[in-house]
Amino acid sequence: QKEVEQNSGPLSVPEGAIASLNCTYSDRGSQSFFWYRQYSGKSPELIMSIYSNGDKEDGRFTAQLNKASQYVSLLIRDSQPSDSATYLCAVNPTYSSASKIIFGSGTRLSIRP
Amino acid sequence: KAGVTQTPRYLIKTRGQQVTLSCSPISGHRSVSWYQQTPGQGLQFLFEYFSETQRNKGNFPGRFSGRQFSNSRSEMNVSTLELGDSALYLCASSLDGTGVDTQYFGPGTRLTVL
Repeated sequence: QKEVEQNSGPLSVPEGAIASLNCTYSDRGSQSFFWYRQYSGKSPELIMSIYSNGDKEDGRFTAQLNKASQYVSLLIRDSQPSDSATYLCAVNPTYSSASKIIFGSGTRLSIRP
Repeated sequence: KAGVTQTPRYLIKTRGQQVTLSCSPISGHRSVSWYQQTPGQGLQFLFEYFSETQRNKGNFPGRFSGRQFSNSRSEMNVSTLELGDSALYLCASSLDGTGVDTQYFGPGTRLTVL
């Protein structure tokens, strides 16, 4: 079992709709969760971080965390063509250790006009 | 505040050679992590440095090494290059590398091994 799993996609969503990206992780003790966006040929950029169960909203983005189900998701409202990218879910398996972020393989999102 | 910088941006080497990549973190950041990204394996953690010490290491052979200087700049070295080392090498910096710390990525160095 991979430590961080994502559906590779591609996920095709019409412009203006909600895109839902999902991620599961294996280490039940994980405390820190991140969503990065990566455009083709570019480096990852942080979109959201979440540490507590529940929802965290930032503009059109909402991260959702459910530690009991070991599940984290990212919702993108009012999807725009510029949202077309690969979205990487990342998990830091322990709270206080040095950085060793584990990344999922990413979900390719395509927003169709 | 300037972002993470990496040099060089592109490199072409041949098998058996060695290569050194450089990373300058965001000012004030003391933790630098290195990752290898390939289409087949995704983003894989190489190692992390903090205060000139390697604090954490991924599952890569000893040909991959690194160091960090007193100004937090970091270098990674790959010796005896293999074709499979062709990848995008990313470094990321964070304040102190704790579990809740956010990592910011540099633009990467694209290494091609012929």
